[in-house]
Amino acid sequence: GEDVEQSLFLSVREGDSSVINCTYTDSSSTYLYWYKQEPGAGLQLLTYIFSNMDMKQDQRLTVLLNKKDKHLSLRIADTQTGDSAIYFCAESASPGSARQLTFGSGTQLTVLP
Amino acid sequence: DAMVIQNPRYQVTQFGKPVTLSCSQTLNHNVMYWYQQKSSQAPKLLFHYYDKDFNNEADTPDNFQSRRPNTSFCFLDIRSPGLGDAAMYLCATNRGDKGGQETQYFGPGTRLLVL
Repeated sequence: GEDVEQSLFLSVREGDSSVINCTYTDSSSTYLYWYKQEPGAGLQLLTYIFSNMDMKQDQRLTVLLNKKDKHLSLRIADTQTGDSAIYFCAESASPGSARQLTFGSGTQLTVLP
Repeated sequence: DAMVIQNPRYQVTQFGKPVTLSCSQTLNHNVMYWYQQKSSQAPKLLFHYYDKDFNNEADTPDNFQSRRPNTSFCFLDIRSPGLGDAAMYLCATNRGDKGGQETQYFGPGTRLLVL
């Protein structure tokens, strides 16, 4: 079955860039997502990328996709303390109307002052 | 304005006492999902409804049931909660159009504690 893996923890200094990495196994993945979860809250969609794209930029966020290596990364420029949260990578391979997401285990990002 | 609403945000129940969690949406989406998220783990899909069609994941325990009386509301019923069912329960929705990208919109979750 599908598998999505992420490193569990990342710490950065405020103002530095953060890079969160993700690998997946399902080569039929069509869309890949990054969600943010703050403590005690639901999941907030940050961005997504279609599998035929290599890169997507949205303000401070840059998503890079290496489809050959099945590797996805999320770069957050000028990381702020408000960016501290758990970041989930997810992939969706279903062509149907019910988009079933397979999530990674999440990366806890800690931003140090 | 909240689009996916979950009530209550915190729910305490006793071992073996049935409990119902509620989700409502103002988006008029066709698809509604229930996920279970245990501490420090990824959300795990339990089941979803496409309109009135119920789709259960193969490994979802029989103890978990769901009802969708109309487009806006979906309920998660846990018939006999065990200590292992303590978790955050997340509801999500999407439009359900065939093809194309579809964002899943998540509610804030209900944290269930089983005593």
